[in-house]
Amino acid sequence: GAGVSQTPSNKVTEKGKYVELRCDPISGHTALYWYRQSLGQGPEFLIYFQGTGAADDSGLPNDRFFAVRPEGSVSTLKIQRTERGDSAVYLCASSQGAGEGGYTFGSGTRLTVV
Amino acid sequence: SQQGEEDPQALSIQEGENATMNCSYKTSINNLQWYRQNSGRGLVHLILIRSNEREKHSGRLRVTLDTSKKSSSLLITASRAADTASYFCAPNTGFQKLVFGTGTRLLVSP
Repeated sequence: GAGVSQTPSNKVTEKGKYVELRCDPISGHTALYWYRQSLGQGPEFLIYFQGTGAADDSGLPNDRFFAVRPEGSVSTLKIQRTERGDSAVYLCASSQGAGEGGYTFGSGTRLTVV
Repeated sequence: SQQGEEDPQALSIQEGENATMNCSYKTSINNLQWYRQNSGRGLVHLILIRSNEREKHSGRLRVTLDTSKKSSSLLITASRAADTASYFCAPNTGFQKLVFGTGTRLLVSP
């Protein structure tokens, strides 16, 4: 597509529920990144994929967070047993190859856990 | 991967003035990238400067890089209200993952 698409743009869920956040990267971009951002902070790295495999998942805060990219294109970030502290904007980005040309970010999903 | 530290944390200027923000980092880099973020949503890639470059221009943006001091600066000339945003630097060591600091919040008043 023309840009990185994230859905939904906003998600409100109750504490303890399961949520899925979707990212559709730019066609042909092999690398895909997930970040989350709390108010007043910079984006915090979560995980990145090179193709279908997770090349670095060191930023996932705990085992409630999981992400997949089964066909090397669309990715889904999954959060189990959500907590109020998971509330943030979740950003997805994609890049070609090693990302030397910069990342293209989506508009993010604002997750609110009540 | 390493994080850049932006300075100042906040900057408030009038339209037409120039805005300068700085970035420091700790280890050797392949390139350094600057991003802009409006309203807490997606970041927009502004400019990339390679480690063997000292200065780069793009429209009203001018970026400098001093690898001996491990620092970079972003200058926005003749600022406009639409430049109001947060600006982040991202030093890239070549291991792909970009790590972002807390950014510089720029406010341009009409």
